[in-house]
Amino acid sequence: QVQLHQWGAGLLKPSETLSLTCDVYGGSFSGYYWSWIRQSPGTGLEWIGEINHIGSTKFNPSLKSRVAISIDKSKNQFSLNLTSVTAADTAVYFCARAQGGHRNFDYWGQGTLVTVSS
Amino acid sequence: EIVLTQSPGTLSLSPGERATLSCRASQSVNSIYLAWYQQKPGQAPRLLFYGASNRATGVPGRFSGSGSGTDFTLTISRLEPEDFAVYYCQQYGDSPPKVTFGGGTKVEIK
Repeated sequence: QVQLHQWGAGLLKPSETLSLTCDVYGGSFSGYYWSWIRQSPGTGLEWIGEINHIGSTKFNPSLKSRVAISIDKSKNQFSLNLTSVTAADTAVYFCARAQGGHRNFDYWGQGTLVTVSS
Repeated sequence: EIVLTQSPGTLSLSPGERATLSCRASQSVNSIYLAWYQQKPGQAPRLLFYGASNRATGVPGRFSGSGSGTDFTLTISRLEPEDFAVYYCQQYGDSPPKVTFGGGTKVEIK
C-alpha cells in the first residue's frame, strides 16, 4: 500500500522560501510523476509541478520562476521549494503521485496548510 | 491553456436521487488524460475515474464517468449519504505540459 506523508514549515513571512518534503512509503519511484498541488479558496486546485524518477521536471508556467522540485531516491522522498512567497501563496499544499500513462493522481499526501503572514 | 468549467457550482439533492455533473473543456481534451476526484472537508482529493470512464480501485458501481472531446460527465445513479462532497475534474495537456482542475461541483444534501 502506497502512502505519502508530507512535512514542512506552516508559517512563513513574505519573501521567505517555502520548503516541503514528501516521504513515499510502499512504492517505487519509477514509472510515476511526483507532483505538488496546492489548494486555496481563491484559486481552487492548482498544479505546481512534477518530477520523475530520473529527476526530469515540469512546472506550472505561472510559478516556474520561483519553483524547484527535487527527488532523493535514497531517502524515498521528494521536495518542493517555492521562493519569495507572498500572501497569495497561502494555501493547503499536497504532494501526490501521478500515473505515467493517464497523468491522474492516485495517491495524495495529507496536506499541509502554509500561511504567509508578516 | 485548457480551462475546465464545471457545472453546476452546487447541486442540492436528496439521498437516493441521481446526480449529473458536467465538466466542459475550452478545447478538446485527450480522454486518457481526463480524471474525476471526490473531496470531503479536511481531506485530500480521492481519485474516482481516470481516462474519463475507468473507475479507480474501490469506487462503487453507482458512480460512472463518460464523455469525450470537450464534454465530460460524472454520474451518481443513487446518492448515498457518503457521496455528499465536492467533485473535481482534471486534465493533463502536453503543449505546454500542464495539469488543470475544474472549479468543482458541490453536491449537498437538500
